[in-house]
Amino acid sequence: RKEVEQDPGPFNVPEGATVAFNCTYSNSASQSFFWYRQDCRKEPKLLMSVYSSGNEDGRFTAQLNRASQYISLLIRDSKLSDSATYLCVVNPISSGSARQLTFGSGTQLTVLP
Amino acid sequence: DGGITQSPKYLFRKEGQNVTLSCEQNLNHDAMYWYRQDPGQGLRLIYYSQIVNDFQKGDIAEGYSVSREKKESFPLTVTSAQKNPTAFYLCASSRLSGRGNNEQFFGPGTRLTVL
Repeated sequence: RKEVEQDPGPFNVPEGATVAFNCTYSNSASQSFFWYRQDCRKEPKLLMSVYSSGNEDGRFTAQLNRASQYISLLIRDSKLSDSATYLCVVNPISSGSARQLTFGSGTQLTVLP
Repeated sequence: DGGITQSPKYLFRKEGQNVTLSCEQNLNHDAMYWYRQDPGQGLRLIYYSQIVNDFQKGDIAEGYSVSREKKESFPLTVTSAQKNPTAFYLCASSRLSGRGNNEQFFGPGTRLTVL
């Protein structure tokens, strides 16, 4: 089983739609969780951290379910500019003192006009 | 402007040659990382360093080497021993501040092609 698993998509949605991505992780000791966004042929950029109580940043909402070991990202009122690959990222703290991150393969989103 | 720079953006190499990819950061981050990304795949960790003059192998270190002589710099050498070096190489850095969030910030990447 992969350490971090995501549905690769692609998700093709119309402008204004609400879209949700899920991600599961295998290491129950994981402590930190993030969503990164990666545009085509560019570097990943931090979209948001994911906190235990869930958090929102504008149109984006991230949630964590430790019992089921998954995190989610909800995008409301999607824009053309949201088209990108969304990477689920987990810090498996039990792997040692290094601040290593484990990246999912990403979910591709295309927002259509 | 604070950030991470990588050079070159594109690099072409003949088989059998070693090449060195540059990574510099002025964020005063202690930790630096090298990843490679292949089409349709996630990032895989090559090497990382938490402190000057110290570094550890990641998941796919074979055929690569690094050095960390300065806090700001973490160059990666792709040696001729790397069997399939054509990939997108990403350098990242982060703080080392307890068990809290430790997000990594990425440079723009170097796209290496072996001819």
